[in-house]
Amino acid sequence: QKEVEQDPGPLSVPEGAIVSLNCTYSNSAFQYFMWYRQYSRKGPELLMYTYSSGNKEDGRFTAQVDKSSKYISLFIRDSQPSDSATYLCAMRRTGGGADGLTFGKGTHLIIQP
Amino acid sequence: SQTIHQWPATLVQPVGSPLSLECTVEGTSNPNLYWYRQAAGRGLQLLFYSVGIGQISSEVPQNLSASRPQDRQFILSSKKLLLSDSGFYLCAWSLTPIAGGVADTQYFGPGTRLTVL
Repeated sequence: QKEVEQDPGPLSVPEGAIVSLNCTYSNSAFQYFMWYRQYSRKGPELLMYTYSSGNKEDGRFTAQVDKSSKYISLFIRDSQPSDSATYLCAMRRTGGGADGLTFGKGTHLIIQP
Repeated sequence: SQTIHQWPATLVQPVGSPLSLECTVEGTSNPNLYWYRQAAGRGLQLLFYSVGIGQISSEVPQNLSASRPQDRQFILSSKKLLLSDSGFYLCAWSLTPIAGGVADTQYFGPGTRLTVL
């Protein structure tokens, strides 16, 4: 079983819809969870980070973590064509250090005008 | 504010030729630095990370090497490129919580697209 699973899509939704993006993971030691947005041929851009379980909201974006289910989600409200991109989830364990993040492979999202 | 630069943006090299990709970070001191490779359908693969000048850790055995000659400079090199080295190379930086960072959140550069022919 891979440490982080993410459906690659593509996920195609009409403009204005609510988008739900998800990742599951197997390592219960993960404590920090992040979402990155990556436009084609660009570097990933940090969107949200959360610590442990709970919700975090930033504008149209809401990140949700359910550690009991080992499941994280990113919700996008009032989706726009400019939200079309690949969304990567990432996570890391506690304890600091520079051992990098564990990434999902990304979900390709298409918002249809 | 912090910025991260990578160059070149794109590169086409023949098999067997050498490689040097450069990454620099501005606006911060003593960052952790990372090299990733992103191949189509394979996600982000961590290649090297560095916690300080001259300190390099390798995650994946390969014909690539990394060096950190200055605090905010990270270089990815190869003596002889292989076809399998083609991909999108990303440099990233982070700060440890002690240095004021948050959860070692990593910030990525614009990337270098390498094609080996």
